[in-house]
Amino acid sequence: NAGVTQTPKFQVLKTGQSMTLQCAQDMNHEYMSWYRQDPGMGLRLIHYSVGAGITDQGEVPNGYNVSRSTTEDFPLRLLSAAPSQTSVYFCASSYVFTASTDTQYFGPGTRLTVL
Amino acid sequence: AQTVTQSQPEMSVQEAETVTLSCTYDTSENNYYLFWYKQPPSRQMILVIRQEAYKQQNATENRFSVNFQKAAKSFSLKISDSQLGDTAMYFCAFMIGATNKLIFGTGTLLAVQP
Repeated sequence: NAGVTQTPKFQVLKTGQSMTLQCAQDMNHEYMSWYRQDPGMGLRLIHYSVGAGITDQGEVPNGYNVSRSTTEDFPLRLLSAAPSQTSVYFCASSYVFTASTDTQYFGPGTRLTVL
Repeated sequence: AQTVTQSQPEMSVQEAETVTLSCTYDTSENNYYLFWYKQPPSRQMILVIRQEAYKQQNATENRFSVNFQKAAKSFSLKISDSQLGDTAMYFCAFMIGATNKLIFGTGTLLAVQP
């Protein structure tokens, strides 16, 4: 199993550009989510999905879109990048939490800089 | 709203010694889970230990143990016999019931000195 993969690892954008951060998992997890990590603020939930075709907003959804057309993929779209979106982005996946032993698996992260 | 507070931005410990990282949380829920994640310089998020709120017994995983004080809403992490590989950012996290949504603290940067 490759686990949770994210591409790209690094990206530099100019203000106003658009891009898609890719996230894929091969563990047949129903639940997938996106977090952003900013210095001094920990990780904050952007969007999440409990299955194909179902998405919802997290704590900081503004400026981001998501869709979930397959179980495996959960891309995060920035339609018009802003400097405030400079951050490290993590994708995570897990089974819908049914047991205390369930674990969320995190991808390696994407460092995004918006100039 | 639920919040997680880590009041120690940075800590340092000598190799082989014991260190305790603090975490407090605020919630009115009864059914929740608490976690400690480790983030080494590689940036990978690694689950260290978890605690179910309904369990009174403190969780342990090898050199890592927690002190869970439910009434005080405190969830500290104790690392025994610290090793150089323990150098990392440590995040305390909280999850209500089976929501899968994690709420993170701001992290504690731990440096293990040789």
